[in-house]
Amino acid sequence: DVVMTQSPLSLPVTLGQPASISCRSSQSLVHSDGNTYLNWFHQRPGQSPRRLIYKVSNRDSGVPDRFSGSGSATDFTLRISWVEAEDVGLYYCMQGTHWPQTFGQGTKVEIK
Amino acid sequence: EVQLVESGGGLVQPGGSLTLSCEASGFAVTSTYMIWVRQTPGRGLECLSIIYIDGNTDYADSVKGRFTISRDDSENTVFLQLNSLRAADTAIYYCARDLFLSPAYWGQGTLVTVSS
Repeated sequence: DVVMTQSPLSLPVTLGQPASISCRSSQSLVHSDGNTYLNWFHQRPGQSPRRLIYKVSNRDSGVPDRFSGSGSATDFTLRISWVEAEDVGLYYCMQGTHWPQTFGQGTKVEIK
Repeated sequence: EVQLVESGGGLVQPGGSLTLSCEASGFAVTSTYMIWVRQTPGRGLECLSIIYIDGNTDYADSVKGRFTISRDDSENTVFLQLNSLRAADTAIYYCARDLFLSPAYWGQGTLVTVSS
């Protein structure tokens, strides 16, 4: 299975300041169809995960534009341009290129 | 509006069986890939099984031969049959609508506890 490795695992942030999370995959995530199926999710305590970003850099409907994704092949980044209180929780990267789809271990974002 | 509602979780003894259901609304389960994902504090999020538009299926090695995914088109529902359950299968089980090879819409989850 493809191993997804996130860093950092814990990210204390200041409200209004930027934040970024890194994700590396053990294999290239470029699919035979040419797309790269790397996704980002956010999960608040007691809630189901919510997808934020699909195919590296596409925001899902309703996701604020302060969230952005970038990267290629095996190295990816989620950036929050400025952190708001509602952004706390766990963030996961996830690859869909290879079955089984696999998640990173999660990054806990909390307010300093 | 897309909605997914899981049911069927509960307490089951090791070696027992359970069937989880995922009732969909706002779209047809035959029009998309559907996936089951579970979450535990120790192993995090784990994709277990997927059913494709053509009805073909795939499984993670950890559940292959024990879990079976299926769907009922008339009920617009996807199922996950869990057999030979182990303590390690204790988790919250989610169903999701897969778009662009990732779970785009999630249900609220159903808790499965395997214990004697």
